[in-house]
Amino acid sequence: NFMLTQPHSVSESPGKTVTISCTGSSGSIASNYVQWYQQRPGSAPTTVIYEDNQRPSGVPDRFSGSIDSSSNSASLTISGLKTEDEADYYCQSYDSSNHVFGTGTKVTVL
Amino acid sequence: QVQLVQSGSELKKPGASVKVSCKASGYTFTSYAMNWVRQAPGQGLEWMGWINTNTGNPTYAQGFTGRFVFSLDTSVSTAYLQISSLKAEDTAVYYCAFLVGELPWGQGTLVTVSS
Repeated sequence: NFMLTQPHSVSESPGKTVTISCTGSSGSIASNYVQWYQQRPGSAPTTVIYEDNQRPSGVPDRFSGSIDSSSNSASLTISGLKTEDEADYYCQSYDSSNHVFGTGTKVTVL
Repeated sequence: QVQLVQSGSELKKPGASVKVSCKASGYTFTSYAMNWVRQAPGQGLEWMGWINTNTGNPTYAQGFTGRFVFSLDTSVSTAYLQISSLKAEDTAVYYCAFLVGELPWGQGTLVTVSS
């Protein structure tokens, strides 16, 4: 079964940059779009990146997404970290018409 | 604006059934498929499957066959998730979601299964 693996947690100071990876277990991650969701404690997930690198209206340009075919990975980069960015982040893509979520990454702003 | 509003929290005993609703508004209901996502306490997101809002045909992910049923009432733009023969391990927050573009998720419905 296709899996998306993320680091369990990352932490950084306010104003710094963090990058979260999302590595596909097989196939080519570039073959299907990757979405990224932010989930704050007690709240539903919200989209921060869709279709690999598109930002929904209202999401600051501190959030960006990319694909690296050589490592079969997608990445979410958050620059200029703010305390409000502290949350869990999940990548999501597809495999044979099934949606697959990544394992999730907890971002802590020190 | 596009919105998904789910029914409220449920407390059920083992062996009972529950039906969670997800009412859509702000768009044509049959324009997008509806997905269901489970999040057990302290755990990650798990895709349960989806339902074609044009045909009503459901597709269930591995591990969500048998006791889980997706259905629709297009007359009221509402999708439903029914879980039968509830077990303690079904305790989770259940979300409806489009999983496409920048469209929103439902707010989630907590289902607690406890004797």
